[in-house]
Amino acid sequence: DTEVTQTPKHLVMGMTNKKSLKCEQHMGHRAMYWYKQKAKKPPELMFVYSYEKLSINESVPSRFSPECPNSSLLNLHLHALQPEDSALYLCASSLGVLQSYQPQHFGDGTRLSIL
Amino acid sequence: QQQVKQSPQSLIVQKGGISIINCAYENTAFDYFPWYQQFPGKGPALLIAIRPDVSEKKEGRFTISFNKSAKQFSLHIMDSQPGDSATYFCAASTPLGGSRLTFGEGTQLTVNP
Repeated sequence: DTEVTQTPKHLVMGMTNKKSLKCEQHMGHRAMYWYKQKAKKPPELMFVYSYEKLSINESVPSRFSPECPNSSLLNLHLHALQPEDSALYLCASSLGVLQSYQPQHFGDGTRLSIL
Repeated sequence: QQQVKQSPQSLIVQKGGISIINCAYENTAFDYFPWYQQFPGKGPALLIAIRPDVSEKKEGRFTISFNKSAKQFSLHIMDSQPGDSATYFCAASTPLGGSRLTFGEGTQLTVNP
């Protein structure tokens, strides 16, 4: 079992729906990340939170809205998604972002399908 | 400059053999090189990582070899087992990158019994 927990594991939604993905870690990490992964491709960084503040947004469309309510929780709010947004959404955490050699620990992801 | 090139794309090895996956980079600011293992339906799991001040790091059957002058690093899996069948990603990051990982394209490893 991973130490980064993501819910739900699977999500099917229509293009007009609003849903949220949730991520939780209890390792005392202060950096949290959202990635998108398409089949047979590496993860692509979407957002980075450091000490609950958004530090990196990789030009992600506004239909994806991240939120970090506290140091253990990370949400990704979804609205008006497109079929090409179907992918595995991964959450990760690390001790911090100030040094490059802080290993990132990934959850098992939410498999999202847009109808 | 930010790319990490990984090869081969796929690899088939017999049980007990050695699996070798190679990565090359251009950005000399990279100072951390992790390898991730991903099984179907699971997230990537950190396997082993190296910093450029050492040329080799070994953890069990997994070894990273690092060649700073050639800007290359590789993963060796000794005594490969069917349970090692997974996708492997090399990655790299810089101290100014905010922990942004640059991933290779991945290698799908199959170990036949």
